[in-house]
Amino acid sequence: DAGITQSPRHKVTETGTPVTLRCHQTENHRYMYWYRQDPGHGLRLIHYSYGVKDTDKGEVSDGYSVSRSKTEDFLLTLESATSSQTSVYFCASAGGNTEAFFGQGTRLTVV
Amino acid sequence: QKEVEQNSGPLSVPEGAIASLNCTYSDRGSQSFFWYRQYSGKSPELIMFIYSNGDKEDGRFTAQLNKASQYVSLLIRDSQPSDSATYLCAVTPGPDKLIFGTGTRLQVFP
Repeated sequence: DAGITQSPRHKVTETGTPVTLRCHQTENHRYMYWYRQDPGHGLRLIHYSYGVKDTDKGEVSDGYSVSRSKTEDFLLTLESATSSQTSVYFCASAGGNTEAFFGQGTRLTVV
Repeated sequence: QKEVEQNSGPLSVPEGAIASLNCTYSDRGSQSFFWYRQYSGKSPELIMFIYSNGDKEDGRFTAQLNKASQYVSLLIRDSQPSDSATYLCAVTPGPDKLIFGTGTRLQVFP
């Protein structure tokens, strides 16, 4: 399995505060992805990256931003957290053939 | 129209039977197709990928792709209770994006 770690694993934050989730991979994968998973919606793509400093929006990008300053790190920031952003967040990384491997997930609760 | 569609299930099959999971996709330019398994409370794990029309077999799993019909399926032979999970279909509509369906919950009963 690819070495992908997410931090933190659990977080409770207050409405209106900024939150940053971190994804770190040790596989030198080119592609990295952030998804959120909610009941009835499956995995929805938030943002993705196809190289250092190269990122693009996914299906549900409003209220989120990302940065990738190094191959191994992909950060997801909730600029001003809302209750609708309570979810489980998954990071994934993939090499050239886009066979993606997932991190353990981060459970975020916005109160 | 969703980019990737799956029946949410649950699909219930008896132990030892063949489970058939289906997925359709909307972008004709999609090149790569994946099946992931996700146990409750866990991360998705890759179980199969297929790039060309036809069948691809790996142990008890067979992935089938029909690009003309924009259809991909996963067959699980000799289903076991340990196969009970949610199965996610994923597609690359572009060279970089990876889009998932909502998943089909499979229940294998003894």
